[in-house]
Amino acid sequence: KAGVTQTPRYLIKTRGQQVTLSCSPISGHRSVSWYQQTPGQGLQFLFEYFSETQRNKGNFPGRFSGRQFSNSRSEMNVSTLELGDSALYLCASSLSTGGTGELFFGEGSRLTVL
Amino acid sequence: AQSVTQLDSQVPVFEEAPVELRCNYSSSVSVYLFWYVQYPNQGLQLLLKYLSGSTLVESINGFEAEFNKSQTSFHLRKPSVHISDTAEYFCAARRSDTGRRALTFGSGTRLQVQP
Repeated sequence: KAGVTQTPRYLIKTRGQQVTLSCSPISGHRSVSWYQQTPGQGLQFLFEYFSETQRNKGNFPGRFSGRQFSNSRSEMNVSTLELGDSALYLCASSLSTGGTGELFFGEGSRLTVL
Repeated sequence: AQSVTQLDSQVPVFEEAPVELRCNYSSSVSVYLFWYVQYPNQGLQLLLKYLSGSTLVESINGFEAEFNKSQTSFHLRKPSVHISDTAEYFCAARRSDTGRRALTFGSGTRLQVQP
């Protein structure tokens, strides 16, 4: 069974540009969450999607957005990039939003903003 | 809201020695607790979790953690570490009263196992 797949793994952008990151969850998983990992702020929750609906959102500016498609794949977008957006962006999938199920993480997309 | 504190940013230890990675949490509601491990250039892997029931939980690779409600702690222990245990370990909490899966993470503890 394939794990959570994130693309691209590495990318470099310049300030002011925008970026789109993609996440394919484990087959059958319908919930996708996104996290940002930086040396200074650690791991922080961005948002959670289930059945194409955003169920929960972390404390990030509106430049950070996401969506989920009918096949459960998810994308997140960051517009008007700032140097501080340089981070590892992790996607996690789970079977549903209810219950006590486990989150399965992908290997992340490492974004560098110059 | 909940918060998670990992008291040690780095823990150096010799191979085959015991280790304890400390985690304390603060929450106004009941929480589930987790330990995740992150190897270099990889994502997070779930090591073990406390949901309810027995306060001592174990992983398949020899780690264990004990939920202590009175001390609001969930320390991770291993009686004998291996070089391959070198990684960063994250303690995390999630509210147990909703289905939302947003995790609050601690700042991480880097375990460095030396030969």
